[in-house]
Amino acid sequence: EILLTQSPATLSLSPGERATLSCGATQSVSSNYLAWYQQKPGLAPRLLIYDTSIRATGIPDRFTGSGSGTDFTLTISRLEPEDFAVYFCHLYAGSLTFGPGTTVDIK
Amino acid sequence: QLQLQESGPGLVKPSETLSLTCTVSGGSITSDTYYWGWIRQPPGKGLEWIGNMSYSGSTYYNPSLKSRITISADTSKNQFSLKLSSVTAADTAVYYCARGLYGRPPGSWGQGTLVTVSS
Repeated sequence: EILLTQSPATLSLSPGERATLSCGATQSVSSNYLAWYQQKPGLAPRLLIYDTSIRATGIPDRFTGSGSGTDFTLTISRLEPEDFAVYFCHLYAGSLTFGPGTTVDIK
Repeated sequence: QLQLQESGPGLVKPSETLSLTCTVSGGSITSDTYYWGWIRQPPGKGLEWIGNMSYSGSTYYNPSLKSRITISADTSKNQFSLKLSSVTAADTAVYYCARGLYGRPPGSWGQGTLVTVSS
């Protein structure tokens, strides 16, 4: 079973800054079936990125996914006020696991 | 526009069976292009995949929950359901139903429903 880790647990930044979130897998993800979700309090997760780097419909281009093997990254180029939220990575092949999440909060 | 709505009791007693229904509108659960799934999130914690099904009948259940889960569909009502038996306090969570295209992660989610396991 492949497990996912995320770092940092919390990222404190200001609007306009760049956010870099990491997701690590305990084994190589050969299929690149790696996604990123954003979740705000009281709401369901929102799909941002799938297949490591493809933005879902309607997702602004300030969100970029990258990586391969065991190391994946979500970059938010310039944080907007609505981007402060929790972000989960998700492996949607095999064990269908989620990472523990990274909270991006306002510094 | 696709909508998914979870429904069911918000409080279940320990050792009993949790039963939830997801009503789908704006799309048919008989489409084999999509899978229909359940994901849960304990309060303040991360997400856990429970299981999923397709109209053709194939299912996937989380191995850690497999012995307690049944996911099934009622095509006449365009609904699918989750049954989780022998619940404990550890099963307290917000339960989401979701839809995904095969080969993709779920892109459409219900709003979620909180189920508390307590006597």
